[in-house]
Amino acid sequence: EPEVTQTPSHQVTQMGQEVILRCVPISNHLYFYWYRQILGQKVEFLVSFYNNEISEKSEIFDDQFSVERPDGSNFTLKIRSTKLEDSAMYFCASGTSGSWQYFGPGTRLTVL
Amino acid sequence: KNEVEQSPQNLTAQEGEFITINCSYSVGISALHWLQQHPGGGIVSLFMLSSGKKKHGRLIATINIQEKHSSLHITASHPRDSAVYICAVEKASYGKLTFGQGTILTVHP
Repeated sequence: EPEVTQTPSHQVTQMGQEVILRCVPISNHLYFYWYRQILGQKVEFLVSFYNNEISEKSEIFDDQFSVERPDGSNFTLKIRSTKLEDSAMYFCASGTSGSWQYFGPGTRLTVL
Repeated sequence: KNEVEQSPQNLTAQEGEFITINCSYSVGISALHWLQQHPGGGIVSLFMLSSGKKKHGRLIATINIQEKHSSLHITASHPRDSAVYICAVEKASYGKLTFGQGTILTVHP
């Protein structure tokens, strides 16, 4: 069965550093999402992406965050200057017409 | 106030018991999702519902749109069902999911 993949599985970074989280969605999917889950809390929406542009973003997704689909297969989330409170599990998801969202395994980001 | 509320927050059962997890929401939706999150963190979609009832194996999901309520049932529960079960709503087709806080299910042998 096709699956969403994410790399790396765990990223440790220093506060203020830039990080790029990578996702490969399922190949025929058209809708792409990033969510995050701070330890012990519920999953929160960050951003959705369709037709090569952001379709919706949350209050969390401020100027420090950006997304790209650079080559038709990868979908990346960049955090320009990480803060301690960015430490969380970041999930990529993809979907298509009539289907539910398929989630990747997540990237655990630890900001020190 | 949370748009999606689940109950109970924690649920402990003995193997073989029938389990029900409830979800109430306060907004108009295009679909409601039930998902499972294992201790390692991965999230798996179980059901997507816009009306009625769906069944997959020992899992049954129902939704009442008028009452803004959904239930997830597990028949003949097994220790491998132990996980966090999450209800999420989709307000617009292909839109973001808004998640409940999850129900931690533990099934003892």
